[in-house]
Amino acid sequence: QSVLTQPPSVSGAPGQRVTISCTGSSSNIGAGYDVHWYQQLPGTAPKLLIYGNTKRPSGVPDRFSGSKSGTSASLAITGLQAEDEAEYYCQSHDSSLTRVFGTGTKVTVL
Amino acid sequence: QVHLVESGGDVVQPGRSLRLSCSASGFTFNTYAMSWVRQAPGKGLEWVAVILYDGSNKWYADSVKGRFTISRDNSKNTLYLQMNSLSPEDTAVYYCAREISFYFDHWGQGTLVTVSS
Repeated sequence: QSVLTQPPSVSGAPGQRVTISCTGSSSNIGAGYDVHWYQQLPGTAPKLLIYGNTKRPSGVPDRFSGSKSGTSASLAITGLQAEDEAEYYCQSHDSSLTRVFGTGTKVTVL
Repeated sequence: QVHLVESGGDVVQPGRSLRLSCSASGFTFNTYAMSWVRQAPGKGLEWVAVILYDGSNKWYADSVKGRFTISRDNSKNTLYLQMNSLSPEDTAVYYCAREISFYFDHWGQGTLVTVSS
């Protein structure tokens, strides 16, 4: 089954902007299916961060934003804060209706 | 508020079976699809299976197809995962998650399954 590819790690200083890419294929993101993002703090369950490519659930700061183009999507974090240090995963589904996750990206705040 | 509590995780020998449960509260359980997602130690998230709100349809990851069975009892607000022919590669924290339009808006805290002789 397909998997979405993310960079293993990204880092930035407090206050900076970082972006995380999520690359899929014509059977998932490129087929027009939505991309969603999750934040997983150490030792905790994942938490929904972005759904439907760009939407933020209630309570998620507007420092987090999502975008999608072609077979890829991106998560941007502006005004990076120490509390943003976590693992981030993208997720979509494919034409067989199986759900697929990205490989995960560790965000480090320098 | 939405509350999902997994249970049933244990240490089991290869080839044995185990059933996980996920008790749901705080929402109308029988109107939502539900999924299981797992995470091996130090690894990323892997979707395992999904069941529609009424149990009419189920989909599985290739890695568990034919070995795992997802089911639900809407009268008990409970989701299940029957896992057979377990192998060490199935060692993971198993999360249940509520699903809306192919994304997971609420997650349980997870239950650990360890497959080892």
